[in-house]
Amino acid sequence: GNSVTQMEGPVTLSEEAFLTINCTYTATGYPSLFWYVQYPGEGLQLLLKATKADDKGSNKGFEATYRKETTSFHLEKGSVQVSDSAVYFCALGSAGGTSYGKLTFGQGTILTVHP
Amino acid sequence: SQTIHQWPATLVQPVGSPLSLECTVEGTSNPNLYWYRQAAGRGLQLLFYSVGIGQISSEVPQNLSASRPQDRQFILSSKKLLLSDSGFYLCAWSVYWGPPSMDEQYFGPGTRLTVT
Repeated sequence: GNSVTQMEGPVTLSEEAFLTINCTYTATGYPSLFWYVQYPGEGLQLLLKATKADDKGSNKGFEATYRKETTSFHLEKGSVQVSDSAVYFCALGSAGGTSYGKLTFGQGTILTVHP
Repeated sequence: SQTIHQWPATLVQPVGSPLSLECTVEGTSNPNLYWYRQAAGRGLQLLFYSVGIGQISSEVPQNLSASRPQDRQFILSSKKLLLSDSGFYLCAWSVYWGPPSMDEQYFGPGTRLTVT
């Protein structure tokens, strides 16, 4: 079955540091890939997405590239801010059909950015 | 635009009491609906999903149940809460447009449930 493995946290960085959160997946077919962000006490927000190999999703300075050859979708940001402190989830969609839109989530990575 | 509402935002209930959490979606028709539980502020556990009125699929056996009485309303219930039911409950929706499906889900603000 489908599975997602995320980099273990927590990750602690200083402001303006470079961020990488690793995500690898196991799936059949050509799944969609997502990064969600959860700020303290809130629900999840879709951060970025990619639907096919070599697609690059980007939003708010974050980027992730769908790498089918390495089954990875690593999240990167060149210069983090204190306001980026949150929990980040990598998620795997399906190729549609009878999956009813169900997503497979990684365990989440806590990011804390200090001034 | 689409919006999703959950209430209540927080809830403190004694062990053995009943539970009813409500989720409603606006601005879309025939969405897929999902209930998740998040324990310890980390991983997400899919509890139920629904593809239409009255159609509920359970992912994890437990003392919770779900119902979908209207197209855009999803309710999570329990007859008798356990301490282990404490957590952050999230409702989400998606719409399947056909291949290549994006499968993206949109989440509500969540309900923080504490069972005492």
